[in-house]
Amino acid sequence: DSGVTQTPKHLITATGQRVTLRCSPRSGDLSVYWYQQSLDQGLQFLIQYYNGEERAKGNILERFSAQQFPDLHSELNLSSLELGDSALYFCASSFPGQGAETQYFGPGTRLLVL
Amino acid sequence: QKEVEQDPGPLSVPEGAIVSLNCTYSNSAFQYFMWYRQYSRKGPELLMYTYSSGNKEDGRFTAQVDKSSKYISLFIRDSQPSDSATYLCAIPSGGYQKVTFGTGTKLQVIP
Repeated sequence: DSGVTQTPKHLITATGQRVTLRCSPRSGDLSVYWYQQSLDQGLQFLIQYYNGEERAKGNILERFSAQQFPDLHSELNLSSLELGDSALYFCASSFPGQGAETQYFGPGTRLLVL
Repeated sequence: QKEVEQDPGPLSVPEGAIVSLNCTYSNSAFQYFMWYRQYSRKGPELLMYTYSSGNKEDGRFTAQVDKSSKYISLFIRDSQPSDSATYLCAIPSGGYQKVTFGTGTKLQVIP
């Protein structure tokens, strides 16, 4: 158990809908990273937050957005969902003063868009 | 050219074999290199990270970096069925704020 928690574990929804994925980092970690893992694209970095501020952006679609709250939990919002958004979504966190080279992953949210 | 390339396998070996997993990368400025292990339906787990060139050993696992050829390797000695997983190489970039992952090599260790 990495100490990073994600909810829900599974999510089934329809095209065009909007969902919110939640992540709580390990105690003391200030950075949160979001990743998407699909069979054809592998593990893709989406976005990173540090203590509430966006720090880095990867291959995140405009239909997706994220934020990190004062209690350091983070939410990833996916809207206008398409079939191709079906994937595993992972959140990771890392220690203050350390970067993505020491990040720890949560168990993921499996999203299925029908 | 992709920043990180990894043979997807699958790789099947008998228990006790030495396993070699490899990745190549394109940017010579990369200095940190990581290996993650991912069991089916679980999140990736950080196995090892190394800085610059050379070897780093941790139990049955050895990570090796050859910066001259932009090649990174993970060796598993005395492989066990519990090592059956997907292994992903990863390289942080963008001031260590983002990580680029290889596609992963699926390993199966046969008892």
